[in-house]
Amino acid sequence: GAGVSQSPSNKVTEKGKDVELRCDPISGHTALYWYRQSLGQGLEFLIYFQGNSAPDKSGLPSDRFSAERTGGSVSTLTIQRTQQEDSAVYLCASSLNSQETQYFGPGTRLLVL
Amino acid sequence: GDSVVQTEGQVLPSEGDSLIVNCSYETTQYPSLFWYVQYPGEGPQLHLKAMKANDKGRNKGFEAMYRKETTSFHLEKDSVQESDSAVYFCALSSSGGSYIPTFGRGTSLIVHP
Repeated sequence: GAGVSQSPSNKVTEKGKDVELRCDPISGHTALYWYRQSLGQGLEFLIYFQGNSAPDKSGLPSDRFSAERTGGSVSTLTIQRTQQEDSAVYLCASSLNSQETQYFGPGTRLLVL
Repeated sequence: GDSVVQTEGQVLPSEGDSLIVNCSYETTQYPSLFWYVQYPGEGPQLHLKAMKANDKGRNKGFEAMYRKETTSFHLEKDSVQESDSAVYFCALSSSGGSYIPTFGRGTSLIVHP
């Protein structure tokens, strides 16, 4: 079956612009996570959605970052007024529930000039 | 809170060498333990997992034993191949408390021919 998909694959933007990153999780997966991975680094948790519950936003680095998940499926991560330090790979993952295997998408490579 | 420690940032064996990549964890809950592998330009993917104490995860010649007494989940292989080169992340998901999986910083495995 289809895995987790993310779009765009790559995004180049200018400092100060807003960007939207999209994640399509595996159908039926109630848990969805966003992570950020800087070059050669580990996974930095950003935000977690579980079903219709309020999301856990504890990992968002600033109020320029927000995310939503519509209808319990597709999620968008929005970064407002991008900064050069936002340049990284943004990974989305979904799972049946929070204790199960996470299935990652290929990531969106964001470059802020 | 939960934590996962991978002591080696990089491991540089030659093809045919045996391998141990260390992973230690701390949690007050009853976790599931995972090793994820990440190849260049891709998102992490599940490599192997163990759901309870004394379980052994296996995949492609790799093994990891869930050892509750030493709180460890070391990744082992008798004879590494060049194609095993990748970044390996150890992770835990708790049955209670935080619903956010905890990842180690990752170990870069570079196998020399």
